[in-house]
Amino acid sequence: GAVVSQHPSRVICKSGTSVKIECRSLDFQATTMFWYRQFPKQSLMLMATSNEGSKATYEQGVEKDKFLINHASLTLSTLTVTSAHPEDSSFYICSAPGTVLGETQYFGPGTRLLVL
Amino acid sequence: EDKVVQSPLSLVVHEGDTVTLNCSYEVTNFRSLLWYKQEKKAPTFLFMLTSSGIEKKSGRLSSILDKKELFSILNITATQTGDSAVYLCAVSRGSEKLVFGKGTKLTVNP
Repeated sequence: GAVVSQHPSRVICKSGTSVKIECRSLDFQATTMFWYRQFPKQSLMLMATSNEGSKATYEQGVEKDKFLINHASLTLSTLTVTSAHPEDSSFYICSAPGTVLGETQYFGPGTRLLVL
Repeated sequence: EDKVVQSPLSLVVHEGDTVTLNCSYEVTNFRSLLWYKQEKKAPTFLFMLTSSGIEKKSGRLSSILDKKELFSILNITATQTGDSAVYLCAVSRGSEKLVFGKGTKLTVNP
């Protein structure tokens, strides 16, 4: 099946710094990618849809100036958490649609962010 | 508002038991329902269901969808400790976006 990678897998940073997370589709092109956040013992919450060549669309309640998304190519989307704070500590997962209709999502392995 | 509700939230069984996980949904423009297994990292795909009444099966796991009553079940027979995970139900709603339930945490004890 299709493979999606994420980097880094784990990051610890100080409060106030910015962190960039990369999501790559390794053997297929993805014009759309999704970014999710998962807090402990909670389900995945969609944060935003990353669109290649255009602006990302954000879900209600997600600050677009805090979570910057760039979909620079058909295989790469990046999420930058700007001025991170401890409450941003979470598990961030990206996914890409794996079929023409997009129902099947291929998930990256996730990035665990800890902000001290 | 679109929602996906899973039950139970948590389940503890012994190896060899059979379990049934439930997922009900209310979404506009339903397209498909998906089941994922999540261990320590990102979810792994199990099933995608689009038609009512057609059981999908993979080894000891099976799933079926009822579009009239708006629910799906995931069955696991002869459970093993390796089945311990969070099982997520998600619904595709006419776009590529998925709406996830909170998951059922399954613990299989030896």
